[in-house]
Amino acid sequence: KNEVEQSPQNLTAQEGEFITINCSYSVGISALHWLQQHPGGGIVSLFMLSSGKKKHGRLIATINIQEKHSSLHITASHPRDSAVYICAGEGPARRGNEKLTFGTGTRLTIIP
Amino acid sequence: DTGVSQDPRHKITKRGQNVTFRCDPISEHNRLYWYRQTLGQGPEFLTYFQNEAQLEKSRLLSDRFSAERPKGSFSTLEIQRTEQGDSAMYLCASSAGGEGSPLHFGNGTRLTVT
Repeated sequence: KNEVEQSPQNLTAQEGEFITINCSYSVGISALHWLQQHPGGGIVSLFMLSSGKKKHGRLIATINIQEKHSSLHITASHPRDSAVYICAGEGPARRGNEKLTFGTGTRLTIIP
Repeated sequence: DTGVSQDPRHKITKRGQNVTFRCDPISEHNRLYWYRQTLGQGPEFLTYFQNEAQLEKSRLLSDRFSAERPKGSFSTLEIQRTEQGDSAMYLCASSAGGEGSPLHFGNGTRLTVT
């Protein structure tokens, strides 16, 4: 069992739909990252959060520490949102443990 | 700020050869990470530096792998006696460290071992 699991693995939706990607983790973390990876490999950091909720444009990330669960939402989805979305947990805060444990990613395809 | 750069973008090598990759982090970022990603999987942690000190190595990093960050700036990852199973995307990331510091990733080096 992976320490960080995402669902769904693949998601196809029509342009304009509200998108939710889920992430559950079984390890103790100090922060959770949401990342976006486009074809060709480049990874962009979307959010880093340790509690509550963050919003950036059409993207919203939430985390529930007690339930060890995070969600990434995309409102008014657009074809340019098509990418792989990866959640990653950052190790509990101690020296040398800041590495990330990644989920396997959710491949999102938005159809015009 | 030119972002994290990795060189080369692609490397094709024959099994048994040695390869070296370079990562230039964002200047003044004291943390530098190496990850490996195979097709359809999320990245896996390889090793991590705080300045020039290598603080942690994954058990994935066999004796054939070595990483350095001699002056706390750029880093190199060397793979000796490459095997076909080493074929993957090797990703470098850096951060300023401290609470709330986001990670910045390079575009990766794609290694193909034939």
